[in-house]
Amino acid sequence: GAGVSQSPSNKVTEKGKDVELRCDPISGHTALYWYRQSLGQGLEFLIYFQGNSAPDKSGLPSDRFSAERTGGSVSTLTIQRTQQEDSAVYLCASSLDRARNTIYFGEGSWLTVV
Amino acid sequence: KQEVTQIPAALSVPEGENLVLNCSFTDSAIYNLQWFRQDPGKGLTSLLLIQSSQREQTSGRLNASLDKSSGRSTLYIAASQPGDSATYLCAGLDDKIIFGKGTRLHILP
Repeated sequence: GAGVSQSPSNKVTEKGKDVELRCDPISGHTALYWYRQSLGQGLEFLIYFQGNSAPDKSGLPSDRFSAERTGGSVSTLTIQRTQQEDSAVYLCASSLDRARNTIYFGEGSWLTVV
Repeated sequence: KQEVTQIPAALSVPEGENLVLNCSFTDSAIYNLQWFRQDPGKGLTSLLLIQSSQREQTSGRLNASLDKSSGRSTLYIAASQPGDSATYLCAGLDDKIIFGKGTRLHILP
């Protein structure tokens, strides 16, 4: 596609529910990244994919967070049993290969846990 | 461990002025450096990528420089406009992407 696409753009969920956030990277981009940004804060690294494998999962905050990527394209970030502290914007980015190439971000998925 | 620092954290300048945003990194072995802009409630927009073999990149009123030996990059904005108001982030690109916390820029009309 023309850019990185994320859905949903906004999600309000009740505490304890599971949510899935989707990222569709730029066509041909093999590297995909998930970040989290809480209100007024900097970007927090969550996970990085190269193709379908995740060589770096070090940023996932807890075992309630998981992510997968299939077909070297679309990625899904899943948050189980959501907590209020999970409220943030979840940003996805992709690049042609490794992090050494230009990084392009989507508009983000704004998650509010009530 | 790579750390990226941006100074100042916030900046307000009158319209029309030229300004410089600073970015420093602790590990000079970064491969590339990228500058982004983030508007409130939006994602990050790529501004400029400086590859390790380059010293600067220009796009319109923006000029970014990179000095790996000193661990510094600057983003120069010429003839600032109110539409330039945003948060500007730099990121060191290697096998990981390490972001600074950004500079919040406000251009006063």
